Amino acid sequence: NAGVTQTPKFQVLKTGQSMTLQCAQDMNHNSMYWYRQDPGMGLRLIYYSASEGTTDKGEVPNGYNVSRLNKREFSLRLESAAPSQTSVYFCASSVEGGGPTFGSGTRLTVV
Amino acid sequence: GENVEQHPSTLSVQEGDSAVIKCTYSDSASNYFPWYKQELGKGPQLIIDIRSNVGEKKDQRIAVTLNKTAKHFSLHITETQPEDSAVYFCAVTDSWGKLQFGAGTQVVVTP
Repeated sequence: NAGVTQTPKFQVLKTGQSMTLQCAQDMNHNSMYWYRQDPGMGLRLIYYSASEGTTDKGEVPNGYNVSRLNKREFSLRLESAAPSQTSVYFCASSVEGGGPTFGSGTRLTVV
Repeated sequence: GENVEQHPSTLSVQEGDSAVIKCTYSDSASNYFPWYKQELGKGPQLIIDIRSNVGEKKDQRIAVTLNKTAKHFSLHITETQPEDSAVYFCAVTDSWGKLQFGAGTQVVVTP
């Protein structure tokens, strides 16, 4: 049982480049989330999806887009990366009303 | 929106002693309060949670207490061990059912 799987684990981008972070869960959870983690700021919600076919903005959505491809997969896209998007990104999933289960993270550096 | 404050930001304890981390929140409608442990290079892991209809919950050496009137809840770790060294995050559901995280507490257990 893999839980929440994120790829890639590490990535370096140049300013202006685009990329997609992939996430898949095998726990049959309806809800999926993307968070970013910056030093001293805890975890901030970027986007979430309450169920297949729905997505909604979180606290810090600017500069990101998401796709809930199916119940298992939820991807995060950076269309034009900026140094301010240097962060560790976590995907998570949960049952409705429950605490999320997190993946191991993607460490992204934008130079 | 919900405002979650977590204290202290760092906590150093001797092995065998107890550790207490406190979080306060602002939204009286919040009803779910999980705690996460994050080890270096890993994603946060849910260690214990409590709902608003319960005042205290215990799981082996870990306990959480909730005071809804005062809007604060605490994580208690007894008989601390070196493997308890990690960053701990509290979280609270906001009015839309999404989690807001505290900024984290770095716990160091010294032998």
